[in-house]
Amino acid sequence: QKEVEQNSGPLSVPEGAIASLNCTYSDRGSQSFFWYRQYSGKSPELIMSIYSNGDKEDGRFTAQLNKASQYVSLLIRDSQPSDSATYLCAVNKSGGGADGLTFGKGTHLIIQP
Amino acid sequence: DAGVIQSPRHEVTEMGQEVTLRCKPISGHNSLFWYRQTMMRGLELLIYFNNNVPIDDSGMPEDRFSAKMPNASFSTLKIQPSEPRDSAVYFCASSLFGLHEQYFGPGTRLTVT
Repeated sequence: QKEVEQNSGPLSVPEGAIASLNCTYSDRGSQSFFWYRQYSGKSPELIMSIYSNGDKEDGRFTAQLNKASQYVSLLIRDSQPSDSATYLCAVNKSGGGADGLTFGKGTHLIIQP
Repeated sequence: DAGVIQSPRHEVTEMGQEVTLRCKPISGHNSLFWYRQTMMRGLELLIYFNNNVPIDDSGMPEDRFSAKMPNASFSTLKIQPSEPRDSAVYFCASSLFGLHEQYFGPGTRLTVT
């Protein structure tokens, strides 16, 4: 079983709609969860972090975490063509200090004008 | 503020040659991570350092790979000898110890022919 799983897509969403990206993870001991955005040919860019169950909102982005279901999601409201990118879900096992991240393979999101 | 700096941005070399990739973390960050990204395997952690000390190198694929961090502002990843299957984008990331948000450099695209 893969440690972090995402649907590779592509996920096509019309401009102005809500894009919903999902991620599941296998290690119940995971403590920290992240969403990175990666444009083609560029490096991953951190857009959201979440550490406790529930929702966390930042502008047009909302991250949702459900540790019981081992499920993380990212909602993008009012989607814009500039949101078209690959979104990587990442998980950190450590409850403190700094550890490496385990990444999913990413979901390719396309926002249709 | 300057972000993570990596050099070179592109490297083309022949099989059997030694390759050295360089990274300067964000000033003040004391954790440094090396990742490799390929289409097949996605983004994988190779090794990470806390306060210049290697903590986990279990992701290093073979003894041909080695990494050093002689001081807080510089790290190298060396491949000797290089092989075509080492072709990938190598990213360096840094974070502040105790926090999990990692910030990526622009990457080095390595091609081994």
